[in-house]
Amino acid sequence: GAGVSQSPSNKVTEKGKDVELRCDPISGHTALYWYRQSLGQGLEFLIYFQGNSAPDKSGLPSDRFSAERTGGSVSTLTIQRTQQEDSAVYLCASSPRLAGADTQYFGPGTRLTVL
Amino acid sequence: ELKVEQNPLFLSMQEGKNYTIYCNYSTTSDRLYWYRQDPGKSLESLFVLLSNGAVKQEGRLMASLDTKARLSTLHITAAVHDLSATYFCAVVRSAGNNRKLIWGLGTSLAVNP
Repeated sequence: GAGVSQSPSNKVTEKGKDVELRCDPISGHTALYWYRQSLGQGLEFLIYFQGNSAPDKSGLPSDRFSAERTGGSVSTLTIQRTQQEDSAVYLCASSPRLAGADTQYFGPGTRLTVL
Repeated sequence: ELKVEQNPLFLSMQEGKNYTIYCNYSTTSDRLYWYRQDPGKSLESLFVLLSNGAVKQEGRLMASLDTKARLSTLHITAAVHDLSATYFCAVVRSAGNNRKLIWGLGTSLAVNP
């Protein structure tokens, strides 16, 4: 079946512009995660949606970052007034979150470059 | 606070050799994952370890879990170039109904001919 998809695959923007990154999780997966990965670095957790519960926003680095998940499916990560340090690969993952199932399935990522 | 440490962070090895990557975590957890990331690609789940003494094997990779020591190992047997990738361990942190994976920094493995 279809995996997690993300769009765009690459985004180049100018400093100060807003960007929106999209994630389509695997159908039926109730949990959705956003991570950021800078070049050669590990994963930085950003935000986590689980069903209808309030999202865990504890990883968002500043108030320029926000995310929504509509209808329990598609999610959009928005970065306002982008800065050069926002350049990274943004990864989305989804999980079925059935009892005992936490395996996260990752999308291909969006490479963001802020000039 | 749950912390996950991997070592080494960088590993260069020759084909045919054996080596072990270690993953330590600081507080109790009920499961641990190993993921692989090829250069320029996304992450792929390799193993999930659920209980003390659990061992999983796939090809030349074998993962084990010691929950008492809070330690998991990823053992590479007779390495081949195709195993070159970054390997991440991740541990579940559970707080009520909120379950998150806490990630190690990754071990970048280069297998040289």
